[in-house]
Amino acid sequence: KNQVEQSPQSLIILEGKNCTLQCNYTVSPFSNLRWYKQDTGRGPVSLTIMTFSENTKSNGRYTATLDADTKQSSLHITASQLSDSASYICVVTPNSGYALNFGKGTSLLVTP
Amino acid sequence: GAGVSQSPSNKVTEKGKDVELRCDPISGHTALYWYRQSLGQGLEFLIYFQGNSAPDKSGLPSDRFSAERTGGSVSTLTIQRTQQEDSAVYLCASSTRQGATFNYGYTFGSGTRLTVV
Repeated sequence: KNQVEQSPQSLIILEGKNCTLQCNYTVSPFSNLRWYKQDTGRGPVSLTIMTFSENTKSNGRYTATLDADTKQSSLHITASQLSDSASYICVVTPNSGYALNFGKGTSLLVTP
Repeated sequence: GAGVSQSPSNKVTEKGKDVELRCDPISGHTALYWYRQSLGQGLEFLIYFQGNSAPDKSGLPSDRFSAERTGGSVSTLTIQRTQQEDSAVYLCASSTRQGATFNYGYTFGSGTRLTVV
């Protein structure tokens, strides 16, 4: 069973609108949680990294939140742009070792 | 270079042939990972190299898959007798150690898209 579940699987929004992507995980204890953006045909690029003690982290128009009690994280995108169209992947690193747990990603399409 | 470099970017091969995929990690990164990303699926861990330690091969799906890392730098992932189900994007990542974590500076390459026909 995948230890990182993301929702929605896909999302279409209009340019300029905001959206929020969800990540629920069961990995425990964990060291950090990351959000990656993966453009088509490219490798994932890190957006945010949060340790278990952090609640929020921003990177420009991207804001990630973390609730370690409910084991939920969200990625909020503000004032979306066409270039935000990509897959967004949630990744959780367990406390023990190096193996990362990946979600299957949310595919976001921003339309004009 | 400044990033993780993978080659080739695309590879089409006939079923039954062997293929080699190459990864050049970021200079100085001691940890190197291989992942596979099948269509519509999440990233699947294949193998992990850390310095001179024995690699963690627990993610390799079959004995047709092998990987080596020469001189603690460049890595090659080899798939023998390729099958159609091997078609996927193979991603390499590298990282270094900072404090207690081996995931500092974790960076992915752009991947090799393998198509087995």
